[in-house]
Amino acid sequence: NAGVTQTPKFQVLKTGQSMTLQCAQDMNHEYMSWYRQDPGMGLRLIHYSVGAGITDQGEVPNGYNVSRSTTEDFPLRLLSAAPSQTSVYFCASSRKVWGVQGSEKLFFGSGTQLSVL
Amino acid sequence: RKEVEQDPGPFNVPEGATVAFNCTYSNSASQSFFWYRQDCRKEPKLLMSVYSSGNEDGRFTAQLNRASQYISLLIRDSKLSDSATYLCVVNEKDSGGGADGLTFGKGTHLIIQP
Repeated sequence: NAGVTQTPKFQVLKTGQSMTLQCAQDMNHEYMSWYRQDPGMGLRLIHYSVGAGITDQGEVPNGYNVSRSTTEDFPLRLLSAAPSQTSVYFCASSRKVWGVQGSEKLFFGSGTQLSVL
Repeated sequence: RKEVEQDPGPFNVPEGATVAFNCTYSNSASQSFFWYRQDCRKEPKLLMSVYSSGNEDGRFTAQLNRASQYISLLIRDSKLSDSATYLCVVNEKDSGGGADGLTFGKGTHLIIQP
């Protein structure tokens, strides 16, 4: 069972370039999300999805697009990369509904280190 | 903005010692609480949920104080492998909600020294 697979692990972009970070999960989770992690800032939610065809903005959505055409995949697109988007990006998935305390769990991908020059 | 506050550390602790750190949250309506562990350059992983009555998992004890709005993590007989960053995570969604209600603390960096 692969869990959450994120690619690439490392990426260097020039300002203005676009790219897509890939995220796939094989756990049939309805909920998927993208976070960025910056030194001293903690994890911040960029976009999330509660099911195929449904996406919503998180805390820091500007400069990023997402789509959810299938349950398994949730790509994150950088439209025109900026140095401020240099960060570590994590994709995560979980069940949509957290009903029983103790059963809730967020599964993370291994992360993408992105540098924008 | 809802806040989850942690002492960033680092906490330098000798091997075998007991260490504890807290996390405070601002939203009194928060419903569930977690500790995640993050190793250097790795993804966060769930360490344990925090139950209202407090809970223990081996050397780790988590407690919740709703009146003062904080959760705590205590590690007994610390091991070198416990060195990591510990993230406090608070969920504001009640039953029927989900992960879109999570707020992450910035983490507490723990270093266990031989």
